[in-house]
Amino acid sequence: GAVVSQHPSRVICKSGTSVKIECRSLDFQATTMFWYRQFPKKSLMLMATSNEGSKATYEQGVEKDKFLINHASLTLSTLTVTSAHPEDSSFYICSALLAGSPYEQYFGPGTRLTVT
Amino acid sequence: GEDVEQSLFLSVREGDSSVINCTYTDSSSTYLYWYKQEPGAGLQLLTYIFSNMDMKQDQRLTVLLNKKDKHLSLRIADTQTGDSAIYFCAESITLGGNTGKLIFGQGTTLQVKP
Repeated sequence: GAVVSQHPSRVICKSGTSVKIECRSLDFQATTMFWYRQFPKKSLMLMATSNEGSKATYEQGVEKDKFLINHASLTLSTLTVTSAHPEDSSFYICSALLAGSPYEQYFGPGTRLTVT
Repeated sequence: GEDVEQSLFLSVREGDSSVINCTYTDSSSTYLYWYKQEPGAGLQLLTYIFSNMDMKQDQRLTVLLNKKDKHLSLRIADTQTGDSAIYFCAESITLGGNTGKLIFGQGTTLQVKP
C-alpha cells in the first residue's frame, strides 16, 4: 500500500514549450501533496504545497506562473512547467500526505525533465 | 529559519554497522524522518520518530534522538551492499500548524564495500 506514481518518468522537451507532470496516489487519498525539485547530488527543495480543491501555496522564490499546480482530486496533482528553459532541467519529485495522518508522507519515483 | 545538516559521505564494510548523523534547528519539530534514495529513484520512507521519543528500533534500523542537542542518528546493523544509497534526514515544519512540510538535509551517501 501507500504507492505514489509519477508520469512521465522522463521527458525531454524543447525550450519554450510546456510540460505537465502527473502525481497520483494509487491506493490512498491525499488531501495534501507536495512538489520538490532536486538538483544533482543535492537535497530536495520544496517548491509548493498542493491542497485538493484550493490554490497551491508556493515557497519563496518559486514562480507560481511558471510552475502551475493543480490538485483536482484526492488522488491527483499536476505540475506544469510553462515556457521551459534549460535551467528548469531537474529531477522533480512529488509526495502525498496520507489523509488524516500528520506524518505519513510517501514519495513518487520522480520525473527527470531535460529542456534542450 | 529551519536547517538540517548531515555529513555527506560514509563508507563501511559489509557486515559492519553504519551510523548516519543529522542535526536540525527547529526545536518544535514534531516528527523526524529518515528516507532512502537509490540512484534515479524517489524517496523511500525508512522510519520516523516522534519528538517525545528517545529511540526507535525497527529490525536492523535504530533511530536515536537527542532533543537537547537536536541530534538525530540512524544506525544500520549488519550493513549490506543493498544498503548503498543516499540517506536523507528530514524534520517536519510546525510553524503555522502541522502542514506536513518537510525540510531535508543534504543527504549522506552510504557506500558499502564488499
